[in-house]
Amino acid sequence: QQPVQSPQAVILREGEDAVINCSSSKALYSVHWYRQKHGEAPVFLMILLKGGEQKGHEKISASFNEKKQQSSLYLTASQLSYSGTYFCGTEMTWNQGGKLIFGQGTELSVKP
Amino acid sequence: SQTIHQWPATLVQPVGSPLSLECTVEGTSNPNLYWYRQAAGRGLQLLFYSVGIGQISSEVPQNLSASRPQDRQFILSSKKLLLSDSGFYLCAWSGRGSLARETDTQYFGPGTRLTVL
Repeated sequence: QQPVQSPQAVILREGEDAVINCSSSKALYSVHWYRQKHGEAPVFLMILLKGGEQKGHEKISASFNEKKQQSSLYLTASQLSYSGTYFCGTEMTWNQGGKLIFGQGTELSVKP
Repeated sequence: SQTIHQWPATLVQPVGSPLSLECTVEGTSNPNLYWYRQAAGRGLQLLFYSVGIGQISSEVPQNLSASRPQDRQFILSSKKLLLSDSGFYLCAWSGRGSLARETDTQYFGPGTRLTVL
């Protein structure tokens, strides 16, 4: 039931854009996105609920396609601070104590 | 505001020794609590989660156990550590959501880096 993230790794130059995908074989209730710097704890970015909503956070936004059971994270005009590993956490139903199953991560490196 | 604490920050233990990691949350009541493990260069593996005192759900069969003796305290234990128990252990908490949004953000603690030799 672990979601699959793609790509596994991506290297960008400052100012370039990137898309990270998170796909599930099971129906999803919500998708949570996190960024983790090396040696640190994951930091929350945003939650998307089923219903196909799209959310934005500065130059980082995300969408949730309920029909495809896929969420995409969009990073535009990337900055050096965007470097890190991005994880999606998926929730199958609302009544399981908020349990999240995380993807394997996408390592993003932004170069000057 | 809410804060989450974990200790110790780092730990080096010999194989076969016991383990106790503690996590406490401040500034909220009745949180959901979670223990994750992250092996080097790998993803987050959910180990246990708890929706209330004494209520523990185990996700992965192993030699670890968890307990929640108080509302905002979550403890991860082992009687005998294995080499494979090495990793970065993260505790997280979330609220209970609401009628409008029946899910809530998980906030992670700073983590404990465990090395078993």
